[in-house]
Amino acid sequence: AQSVTQPDIHITVSEGASLELRCNYSYGATPYLFWYVQSPGQGLQLLLKYFSGDTLVQGIKGFEAEFKRSQSSFNLRKPSVHWSDAAEYFCAGDDRFFGNEKLTFGTGTRLTIIP
Amino acid sequence: DVKVTQSSRYLVKRTGEKVFLECVQDMDHENMFWYRQDPGLGLRLIYFSYDVKMKEKGDIPEGYSVSREKKERFSLILESASTNQTSMYLCASMLAGRGPKGSYNEQFFGPGTRLTVL
Repeated sequence: AQSVTQPDIHITVSEGASLELRCNYSYGATPYLFWYVQSPGQGLQLLLKYFSGDTLVQGIKGFEAEFKRSQSSFNLRKPSVHWSDAAEYFCAGDDRFFGNEKLTFGTGTRLTIIP
Repeated sequence: DVKVTQSSRYLVKRTGEKVFLECVQDMDHENMFWYRQDPGLGLRLIYFSYDVKMKEKGDIPEGYSVSREKKERFSLILESASTNQTSMYLCASMLAGRGPKGSYNEQFFGPGTRLTVL
């Protein structure tokens, strides 16, 4: 079955430090992959998506993600975090082969920023 | 600007009550979705709809039903609320088909309804 795994439940990072959030996928073919962010009390906002082509994807708010087929990973990175980045982050995938336009979400990673 | 609204941010109901959660989008999207979000479980799809009066079960449809009488509105119904349905409910909408170069269209989410069933 298709799945998306976020191995880290909670990560704490100092403001100004770099960030990497992990995401692994298990799909028969290369899926569409997404990263969403949920700020406290808010809905989800799309940060970036991977469809095809360049494996390094740039998103909003200074985030980027790299698709690595050999590792079945799509990790989210930011070179220098800001206090406003504290939120919950979700990786999601869609099995493009079936094109049923349903997303499978990971369980999320909560990011805490310390001064 | 893209807008998905949900009728309530917070809702408290009693066991056995019939509960309606409303979602409205103003983007003329064909596809609409209902998820529930629980700590440690992420988002799980309850139902989705790809057209008016059309619906399909998601991963956890038990105890829920949906209604889509108009394109812009997608309602989630708890026929007889139970305490294990206490959760955050998120609605989303998405343009059908594919975007430029066949890319995937994104889902746009509402702010969520936090439902407590006592």
